[in-house]
Amino acid sequence: EDKVVQSPLSLVVHEGDTVTLNCSYEVTNFRSLLWYKQEKKAPTFLFMLTSSGIEKKSGRLSSILDKKELFSILNITATQTGDSAVYLCAVSGANSKLTFGKGITLSVRP
Amino acid sequence: NAGVTQTPKFQVLKTGQSMTLQCAQDMNHNSMYWYRQDPGMGLRLIYYSASEGTTDKGEVPNGYNVSRLNKREFSLRLESAAPSQTSVYFCASSHRGLNTEAFFGQGTRLTVV
Repeated sequence: EDKVVQSPLSLVVHEGDTVTLNCSYEVTNFRSLLWYKQEKKAPTFLFMLTSSGIEKKSGRLSSILDKKELFSILNITATQTGDSAVYLCAVSGANSKLTFGKGITLSVRP
Repeated sequence: NAGVTQTPKFQVLKTGQSMTLQCAQDMNHNSMYWYRQDPGMGLRLIYYSASEGTTDKGEVPNGYNVSRLNKREFSLRLESAAPSQTSVYFCASSHRGLNTEAFFGQGTRLTVV
């Protein structure tokens, strides 16, 4: 059975801090790993990673995938209160099955 | 650009009642999904449909049925609602061949009393 484990489950930081969110996975026929941000409504897409070692960046957010060790990290630099949200990691596997982890709740204090 | 449309947005059911959650996408996506979200549990896959005409069970299928009516529509049915099915339900879709991200509907908040 496909499995996605995210850590830590929650964390609290102050504005300006840098955070690293972790995602490890076990999946049959890996196709891609996706990161989403969720703020009290539907998840919004951040990144999709398919190849090892290639960093995806969008402003202060970046993510990288290690297919050998079966994990990904999402980095957020110079955090802002608007980054407070639940960050979800998902893997797409055999037959397009899309499995999510439990999410990481990030709270950024002023 | 509608994207993924779910109806209804809110629903209250009595234990034992039945209902169908509707989902439609206008992006010509092959794959569609139904998830439930409970506090601290992330998104748990109920059923998915890799392409029109196929459906598969996810992690938590018990108490639910689905129908992939056509390429656009994927409905979720609760035959006899239970309080344990109180949750927020999300429908999503993606393009299987192009390996794109999944796009989500706005969710249905269901309460079973």
